[in-house]
Amino acid sequence: DAKTTQPTSMDCAEGRAANLPCNHSTISGNEYVYWYRQIHSQGPQYIIHGLKNNETNEMASLIITEDRKSSTLILPHATLRDTAVYYCIVRAEYNFNKFYFGSGTKLNVKP
Amino acid sequence: GAVVSQHPSWVICKSGTSVKIECRSLDFQATTMFWYRQFPKQSLMLMATSNEGSKATYEQGVEKDKFLINHASLTLSTLTVTSAHPEDSSFYICSAGDQGLAGGEQFFGPGTRLTVL
Repeated sequence: DAKTTQPTSMDCAEGRAANLPCNHSTISGNEYVYWYRQIHSQGPQYIIHGLKNNETNEMASLIITEDRKSSTLILPHATLRDTAVYYCIVRAEYNFNKFYFGSGTKLNVKP
Repeated sequence: GAVVSQHPSWVICKSGTSVKIECRSLDFQATTMFWYRQFPKQSLMLMATSNEGSKATYEQGVEKDKFLINHASLTLSTLTVTSAHPEDSSFYICSAGDQGLAGGEQFFGPGTRLTVL
């Protein structure tokens, strides 16, 4: 079962930063936090993942709180093509690589 | 990143027939692949774990005789929906993990849309 909770939807103006929160209060010590996104009728696309430290790549930044009970995905300059459903996933500790998807956040980037 | 393909991308079949969906890892070997199902406006639901050279393991509530999984090589897993019915119409997605990547990133295929008439 999914171990994360996310807001159902969010709006963001084009060119502005999009900050997507995720709550994972029951996360275990060696579980990673992954973010994927799914554009309509496509397979999910990997964005970023982390364990304890904040991470940044060419797509986004991941901020994980010190207690690891929540995280925020930041898209620094959202474009219309970033409109998608964003999933925050905690990888099950004893089921290596199994991903259980929650309901995700529908991000609407508006002109 | 690594590429996972699926074939076909969409299929329409008559009720009672069987449909096979292929999932391939194109540039890496995957000892484990996963199959998901997604109904409209819903999230992905993990159906089963496909293990190369051994039996698949199914999530609770998924009928193993209905959804046959074969993982005959390190780059190919197949899902066969047997005796398909309209309620099996869905978007089927596979994924594969590259064990060499720290943290176990999964790569997803583009999905197969099944419509059962």
